[in-house]
Amino acid sequence: DAKTTQPNSMESNEEEPVHLPCNHSTISGTDYIHWYRQLPSQGPEYVIHGLTSNVNNRMASLAIAEDRKSSTLILHRATLRDAAVYYCILSTTGNQFYFGTGTSLTVIP
Amino acid sequence: EAGVTQFPSHSVIEKGQTVTLRCDPISGHDNLYWYRRVMGKEIKFLLHFVKESKQDESGMPNNRFLAERTGGTYSTLKVQPAELEDSGVYFCASSPRQAKRETQYFGPGTRLLVL
Repeated sequence: DAKTTQPNSMESNEEEPVHLPCNHSTISGTDYIHWYRQLPSQGPEYVIHGLTSNVNNRMASLAIAEDRKSSTLILHRATLRDAAVYYCILSTTGNQFYFGTGTSLTVIP
Repeated sequence: EAGVTQFPSHSVIEKGQTVTLRCDPISGHDNLYWYRRVMGKEIKFLLHFVKESKQDESGMPNNRFLAERTGGTYSTLKVQPAELEDSGVYFCASSPRQAKRETQYFGPGTRLLVL
């Protein structure tokens, strides 16, 4: 009953851009979209979040579809340190996080 | 600034025993959350404290789970008695109260194995 769906795995070559997709067709008007990533033996780490407009920060960009039913996390130049599981998450008005199953990103040197 | 810490990092217990997990949030964070990931499933919300009060405990699976946050600082999550299906990774997260939809800062998790 996950609210977001993501591909199980993706690969990217080092120093190339990576586009990680997420579908959230049941999103409500007040739900925020968050992306976190998780390295082995660590907890999830914040990457980026947004509501309606595209967002950029030093780590990544978030592109949100106009109907908000999907979003894409963009890593502009993948490095080996970006290899992780990336979670697309919806947060409700109570700030409860609904995690997807995550995409395992492999970066190929 | 110290991050969210959790103790123990690993716990192996037998079915029927009791286990208590501890979470120390970032100092000054009013919000504290517990999540868990059981085998093959996504990470799921358990409950949310604002200071010492339970704001939302809709994700607690059953009455074998008891969470407390006395004094609004650290929190404990007790499982009594533990069952096989409780095995998984338990994460704690905290956030300050100021902003809406603020970032949650996660601890490294406690890996629980019930035999």
